[in-house]
Amino acid sequence: AQRVTQPEKLLSVFKGAPVELKCNYSYSGSPELFWYVQYSRQRLQLLLRHISRESIKGFTADLNKGETSFHLKKPFAQEEDSAMYYCALGRDGATNKLIFGTGTLLAVQP
Amino acid sequence: DTGVSQDPRHKITKRGQNVTFRCDPISEHNRLYWYRQTLGQGPEFLTYFQNEAQLEKSRLLSDRFSAERPKGSFSTLEIQRTEQGDSAMYLCASRSTGVGGELFFGEGSRLTVL
Repeated sequence: AQRVTQPEKLLSVFKGAPVELKCNYSYSGSPELFWYVQYSRQRLQLLLRHISRESIKGFTADLNKGETSFHLKKPFAQEEDSAMYYCALGRDGATNKLIFGTGTLLAVQP
Repeated sequence: DTGVSQDPRHKITKRGQNVTFRCDPISEHNRLYWYRQTLGQGPEFLTYFQNEAQLEKSRLLSDRFSAERPKGSFSTLEIQRTEQGDSAMYLCASRSTGVGGELFFGEGSRLTVL
């Protein structure tokens, strides 16, 4: 079965500290992985996708097929990074639907 | 704002009543998705359309739920004989055809069933 696991409901860090939001997936095919973010009182929006291999707002994520993980990392957290982060799994290059994890609330303290 | 729009943003209804939500996707997007999100959970897929064709439905979508996209533009999601368990945020998203296309979400329609 296809599944996305985000083990942490809440991650609280101080400004300037490194951040790692964990995401593990279960899928036998060729996965597409995404991170979506929802800032307070805003709509859900794409942060980054693994096929782009890009850094957005200082965040990066590497797909590790051996560990079936797609952790989101940032070396120095900023207060404006505080938001809800969702990891999502698509299928085989045909992302007819995305399967989302339960999300991690990142709280960056001043 | 040319993003995905949803209406109404909030709906409070009594158990047993019918409700309908509307989604207007980004105009050039031919794929439209409905998701449901309950407290503490991520969005759960309900159904999706390519143009006017409904191509996939989740088992979460009971017989009381029906979705349409009659002209391949806006979509409606109707819930008949609402139950308290239907209380949730109903999210609409759209994207263009193609591999790895980004999903653009609306702000959602929050349903409260009393």
